[in-house]
Amino acid sequence: GESVGLHLPTLSVQEGDNSIINCAYSNSASDYFIWYKQESGKGPQFIIDIRSNMDKRQGQRVTVLLNKTVKHLSLQIAATQPGDSAVYFCAENTYWSGGSNYKLTFGKGTLLTVNP
Amino acid sequence: DARVTQTPRDKVTEMGQEVTMRCQPILGHNTVFWYRQTMMQGLELLAYFRNRAPLDDSGMPKDRFSAEMPDATLATLKIQPSEPRDSAVYFCASGLAPQETQYFGPGTRLLVL
Repeated sequence: GESVGLHLPTLSVQEGDNSIINCAYSNSASDYFIWYKQESGKGPQFIIDIRSNMDKRQGQRVTVLLNKTVKHLSLQIAATQPGDSAVYFCAENTYWSGGSNYKLTFGKGTLLTVNP
Repeated sequence: DARVTQTPRDKVTEMGQEVTMRCQPILGHNTVFWYRQTMMQGLELLAYFRNRAPLDDSGMPKDRFSAEMPDATLATLKIQPSEPRDSAVYFCASGLAPQETQYFGPGTRLLVL
């Protein structure tokens, strides 16, 4: 049948477990990647970023892994808490010759639900 | 701490009316973006500015939408005339440069009846 909206991938985890959210990006020329968290009723919030000359970057409870060979990005959240429940977006920043500038393209998002 | 602000937070209007949304980017950020978010399409880039000059508005319906930056502290997105299909959440974001991290405002939730 016809889709009535975005069917977000969902991930449900228990409080205290580690979460892994995956993202496939499209452009091998992208050189900067960002993870955003969006809570209900709020704007996307920057979590962590990584440049293409790195394959891993760590923040507070979060780690981003970049595999350029297969164009794959992942976000790992350690000891997931109820406050981590949100939609998580990956974004790739690509130089766009049409505008002679960079353009940020967002993925569709993954809904993370943390069960207490 | 520095944040992007947007007004109004919510707007309900009737089809055919003009809608103006405003954004104050983070001080010192020279790049400003407008996005639209819907359940069907997700997050879409409408337009963006660098140093107040429009760089890309290819995502914006030209016949009814317009975006401007009257000064470095104010960006506006206008819809005239509005239509029910424009109902969405409109986000403004700002950054130090197009290739750098974008910081989002809280959004304007628009409902066109």
